[in-house]
Amino acid sequence: VQLVESGRGLVQPGGSLRLSCVASGFTFSNFWMSWVRQTPRKGLEWVASIRQDGLEKYYVDAVKGRFTVSRDNTKNSLYLQMSGVKVDDTAVYYCAREVGGGAFGGWGQGTLVVVSS
Amino acid sequence: EVVLTQSPATLSVSPGERVTLSCRASQTIRSKLAWYQQKPGQAPRLLIYGASTRATGVSVKFSGTGSGTEFTLTINSVQPDDFAVYYCQQYHNWPPWTFGQGTRVEVK
Repeated sequence: VQLVESGRGLVQPGGSLRLSCVASGFTFSNFWMSWVRQTPRKGLEWVASIRQDGLEKYYVDAVKGRFTVSRDNTKNSLYLQMSGVKVDDTAVYYCAREVGGGAFGGWGQGTLVVVSS
Repeated sequence: EVVLTQSPATLSVSPGERVTLSCRASQTIRSKLAWYQQKPGQAPRLLIYGASTRATGVSVKFSGTGSGTEFTLTINSVQPDDFAVYYCQQYHNWPPWTFGQGTRVEVK
């Protein structure tokens, strides 16, 4: 299982950013995928999850209406469109693959997003 | 939302010791609990899921027990490579999937 995130960067409050995650080593279209973020203050926080077919999605309350998770199974890719970002969205963002019914069994290396003016 | 409380926050141990980490859920989560290990600068790594099933490639020195609201992760004969932060995570009541705040295992 290999997951490689991209899209790190510095963005101003209110701005937008898209994170990508390319998967390999497994049949991407067979798995739920998620985004999890981490900060020193809040620790690990689940952000969003998407079903195999992309038709079922869930978000943590803090990002609802601002972030959109999507996937392209033809490209083995997972995305997180971040809009209206806030300083509190500053974190390392990981993509993760579901295993065992809801655990996160494979993680990317993480990509740093800094929201600052 | 299920709140997971890990204890202690920090555990200071000597190499070779056996350590037990605790994770308590604010409501029953049956056996839908996972444990992760995270080393500095690295992503978390799944150790245990289903409260007691080791993930692929995980050493038998790691074992998980518990169900309902009380869970433990035991590490037998802690070695230098095991010093890290350990997190629990529940996936019974979702969304949201939730994590504990972590237990740091450090060298005494």
